Amino acid sequence: GQNIDQPTEMTATEGAIVQINCTYQTSGFNGLFWYQQHAGEAPTFLSYNVLDGLEEKGRFSSFLSRSKGYSYLLLKELQMKDSASYLCAVRDLGRGSQGNLIFGKGTKLSVKP
Amino acid sequence: ETGVTQTPRHLVMGMTNKKSLKCEQHLGHNAMYWYKQSAKKPLELMFVYNFKEQTENNSVPSRFSPECPNSSHLFLHLHTLQPEDSALYLCASSQISTSPYEQYFGPGTRLTVT
Repeated sequence: GQNIDQPTEMTATEGAIVQINCTYQTSGFNGLFWYQQHAGEAPTFLSYNVLDGLEEKGRFSSFLSRSKGYSYLLLKELQMKDSASYLCAVRDLGRGSQGNLIFGKGTKLSVKP
Repeated sequence: ETGVTQTPRHLVMGMTNKKSLKCEQHLGHNAMYWYKQSAKKPLELMFVYNFKEQTENNSVPSRFSPECPNSSHLFLHLHTLQPEDSALYLCASSQISTSPYEQYFGPGTRLTVT
């Protein structure tokens, strides 16, 4: 079956670094996505990994290890506006013709002054 | 602004009512999706449309009826809902011919069934 796990909540301090982990089990892995969702707003696309390694995009980086079924999202120089839920999602080719996304429950990050 | 709009943003309906949710994407995408987001649960995929054709119905009860008249518009028709159907309903779109096929989400409709 499919399963995606990520911590429910995390707290960090403004200016610090935080790492949000995601582990997954799928039958037909074809890419992992991270989305950010502020309360009451739409999820917005942050990053995509399909090969092992680190993808860096400004203050945000995402890492993937396919052999371990593991990814993390790294947020540097945290700002108050980074307080949001972070959703890990895996594209599973066993789900739909082009592979539909399976989402984790999301990690609610609170950034404190 | 993600290029995907949804109306209404909030909806309260009784269990005997009939209502419709509307989604429109201005991105030229060829796939559209309906998701349900409930508290403390993952986003649940409900329906998928590729090029206006429904390609997936994820075991959704028949009281939810999707309609996709063209590749830019998607509706979710609601009738005889239950209180447990109260949730945030999100629409998304993607371009399935262009990797990585990331999905762009609308702001959602917050539905309360009384």
